[in-house]
Amino acid sequence: EDKVVQSPLSLVVHEGDTVTLNCSYEVTNFRSLLWYKQEKKAPTFLFMLTSSGIEKKSGRLSSILDKKELSSILNITATQTGDSAIYLCAVWTKRQLTFGSGTQLTVLP
Amino acid sequence: DGGITQSPKYLFRKEGQNVTLSCEQNLNHDAMYWYRQDPGQGLRLIYYSQIVNDFQKGDIAEGYSVSREKKESFPLTVTSAQKNPTAFYLCASSIQGPMNTEAFFGQGTRLTVV
Repeated sequence: EDKVVQSPLSLVVHEGDTVTLNCSYEVTNFRSLLWYKQEKKAPTFLFMLTSSGIEKKSGRLSSILDKKELSSILNITATQTGDSAIYLCAVWTKRQLTFGSGTQLTVLP
Repeated sequence: DGGITQSPKYLFRKEGQNVTLSCEQNLNHDAMYWYRQDPGQGLRLIYYSQIVNDFQKGDIAEGYSVSREKKESFPLTVTSAQKNPTAFYLCASSIQGPMNTEAFFGQGTRLTVV
């Protein structure tokens, strides 16, 4: 059975802190790993990482895929209150898009 | 604007009732998906469809049914057999599936049993 595990489940930080969110996966036929941000309703796409693109960066957010360790991290530097959300990791396999349980990030002013 | 529209946003179901959640997309995507989200459990796949008139069970299909008669539409019926239907339901689509592409999500339907 395909499995995607995220840690920590929740995290509370103060504005300006740097956070690292973790995602590990145990799947057959790995194709790519995706990160999403969910603030209230619809998850919004952040990054996709594949064998040919294992590091992505956009502003204060960056992500790395470690295919040897079957894991990925999402880094957020200089956090802002607007970064408060659930961060979801998902993996495309041959069959479907499997999600982890998410990390609830709360950024306090 | 292209996107995915889910309706209604909120739905209340009485015990023993079947209810249908609507999902429509105008992105010309072949693949569509239904997920259920419970607090602390992320998104779990209920059903998915990669082409019209074909669909496959996901990890938690029991108590749910779907149809895919048109490319744009993928309605989900929550039947009375689903014993714990209170949850947030998300519909998604992708160009094809599965492949290395972004999946787009609708705004969700929150279903409550009363």
